[in-house]
Amino acid sequence: SAVISQKPSRDICQRGTSLTIQCQVDSQVTMMFWYRQQPGQSLTLIATANQGSEATYESGFVIDKFPISRPNLTFSTLTVSNMSPEDSSIYLCSVRKQEADTQYFGPGTRLTVL
Amino acid sequence: QKEVEQDPGPLSVPEGAIVSLNCTYSNSAFQYFMWYRQYSRKGPELLMYTYSSGNKEDGRFTAQVDKSSKYISLFIRDSQPSDSATYLCAMRDTGGFKTIFGAGTRLFVKA
Repeated sequence: SAVISQKPSRDICQRGTSLTIQCQVDSQVTMMFWYRQQPGQSLTLIATANQGSEATYESGFVIDKFPISRPNLTFSTLTVSNMSPEDSSIYLCSVRKQEADTQYFGPGTRLTVL
Repeated sequence: QKEVEQDPGPLSVPEGAIVSLNCTYSNSAFQYFMWYRQYSRKGPELLMYTYSSGNKEDGRFTAQVDKSSKYISLFIRDSQPSDSATYLCAMRDTGGFKTIFGAGTRLFVKA
């Protein structure tokens, strides 16, 4: 298994500002993923962040809006840029140690944009 | 057609009931099947992980995979109010890095 922590756990931000969410894992993992979960909805994959390479974004998500860093095998950040109320959501970090392994989730960051 | 279909519910049952949660899928290449439990305002927590077909049991939880029908199930025996949560099915094919999630079923267990 993997123990994942996220900071901040929640935040209230003003429109037009940016927020960086941190994800820390207690062990080295190959794959890290960032998801968004709107209230009452399932998980939407934003991007996959593999160490040493550029993040791979899903359709509808772009690097300028959601820049991601992955400096090592235990840490990643997701920035939500130029926020609008539509960005209000829960943002979840998720990891998989190896390709055949299962996937674990962090506790999430609850973001509210006013 | 979505790759994974899951009834969002809500499903309400009395305490002690047997709960059956289900997902259907269309991609025959899926080999890894998972069930997650998500409490309100928390991240998803892995409950069951199954490779290919068959059953897997863990305490009150049993996961079943029927690849011929492209159908997976999670059974909860002797359900408790603490089981009230959203249950998400998830699956992935061999070599695929992206896990596909169902919409999640909201379960309420009444005391």
